[in-house]
Amino acid sequence: EAAVTQSPRNKVAVTGGKVTLSCNQTNNHNNMYWYRQDTGHGLRLIHYSYGAGSTEKGDIPDGYKASRPSQENFSLILELATPSQTSVYFCASGSWGSQNTLYFGAGTRLSVL
Amino acid sequence: GDQVEQSPSALSLHEGTGSALRCNFTTTMRAVQWFRKNSRGSLINLFYLASGTKENGRLKSAFDSKERYSTLHIRDAQLEDSGTYFCAAEGNYNVLYFGSGTKLTVEP
Repeated sequence: EAAVTQSPRNKVAVTGGKVTLSCNQTNNHNNMYWYRQDTGHGLRLIHYSYGAGSTEKGDIPDGYKASRPSQENFSLILELATPSQTSVYFCASGSWGSQNTLYFGAGTRLSVL
Repeated sequence: GDQVEQSPSALSLHEGTGSALRCNFTTTMRAVQWFRKNSRGSLINLFYLASGTKENGRLKSAFDSKERYSTLHIRDAQLEDSGTYFCAAEGNYNVLYFGSGTKLTVEP
């Protein structure tokens, strides 16, 4: 079974602070994604990656950076956290093929005070 | 604008009854996935469709790329079916556009 692990599971940050959300996948998938989920919006794509060294902007990239140092790891970075970034963040991985099924991590609940 | 419109946003069913969730897409999508959010907050894959219909137990899904919609039918609803369901449409570059979710409550 595909495995995607996010850390931390919960995080409280202060406005203006730096936050790094980590994601690790053991599926050897090329593609990885960061989404945030907010009531009434479903999941919205922040950044994604096609492989180690690549990062691409999604639909709502402002205020976020991403880093893909290896096939297994994909980080989401908030350099200057703001209260509007309080949300639940989901990481996912997927393979490039005929069926692009995504496998999601358990989510990270971030509160920016 | 939003690529995916999901309805209803909330649905209440009595045990043993059924209903359908629907997602409309603003553009042609290559495929659709349906997810359910479990009690731990994780998203669990229910279906992946590039066309046609698929059935799994009491769930059945259909996807019509040309008509730009997908449905998820639930029959004989059980209490454990309660939760939030999401559709997601696959656009270019293997990214998914999610609907806003349907909160399903199954009552005795």
